[in-house]
Amino acid sequence: SAVISQKPSRDICQRGTSLTIQCQVDSQVTMMFWYRQQPGQSLTLIATANQGSEATYESGFVIDKFPISRPNLTFSTLTVSNMSPEDSSIYLCSVEPTEGLFYNEQFFGPGTRLTVL
Amino acid sequence: SQQGEEDPQALSIQEGENATMNCSYKTSINNLQWYRQNSGRGLVHLILIRSNEREKHSGRLRVTLDTSKKSSSLLITASRAADTASYFCATDARGSTLGRLYFGRGTQLTVWP
Repeated sequence: SAVISQKPSRDICQRGTSLTIQCQVDSQVTMMFWYRQQPGQSLTLIATANQGSEATYESGFVIDKFPISRPNLTFSTLTVSNMSPEDSSIYLCSVEPTEGLFYNEQFFGPGTRLTVL
Repeated sequence: SQQGEEDPQALSIQEGENATMNCSYKTSINNLQWYRQNSGRGLVHLILIRSNEREKHSGRLRVTLDTSKKSSSLLITASRAADTASYFCATDARGSTLGRLYFGRGTQLTVWP
């Protein structure tokens, strides 16, 4: 299975500022996703970040608020812009191998716990 | 929506007992995955079961899938205190964005020593 790391693991930020979260995978994967988990809630997909194309955002999420980069097959960043307390959540990246033993299994990083004051 | 729903929302048992969690969903799926999340941490992948499979095992875990009832169950046998966590099911709906998973709200399992 893929090993995924995220930086930072947690942060406390002031409203109006921005935070960039990094996601690093130990193998090349085409499909990468960013999810948000608000306190006590389930996971909601923010966007799909496939290498070689623009990120595709889910309803309710926009590029100006959550810009994403995907420069190569092992790395992606998600920026949470102009933060407000409502952005306090755990942000998780995930990857899904499109071939091999773990085909279709989606693996998640350890998450970034963000608190906005 | 396609979102799955786990049942029960919370489950409290003693070590050694079995824990059964259920998941229901609304539309046809390609596969269903179960995850564990320890408090505020990342998700650990447990099992993927495909729509043409009915049962899978992995160690103390047993997952069943009934596509006619649009439901799945996760059984943890001989539970341990370390199994205390939230458990989520996630479906990969046919016809939706490739790789998009729909998560339920989860079952909070507490295993008492």
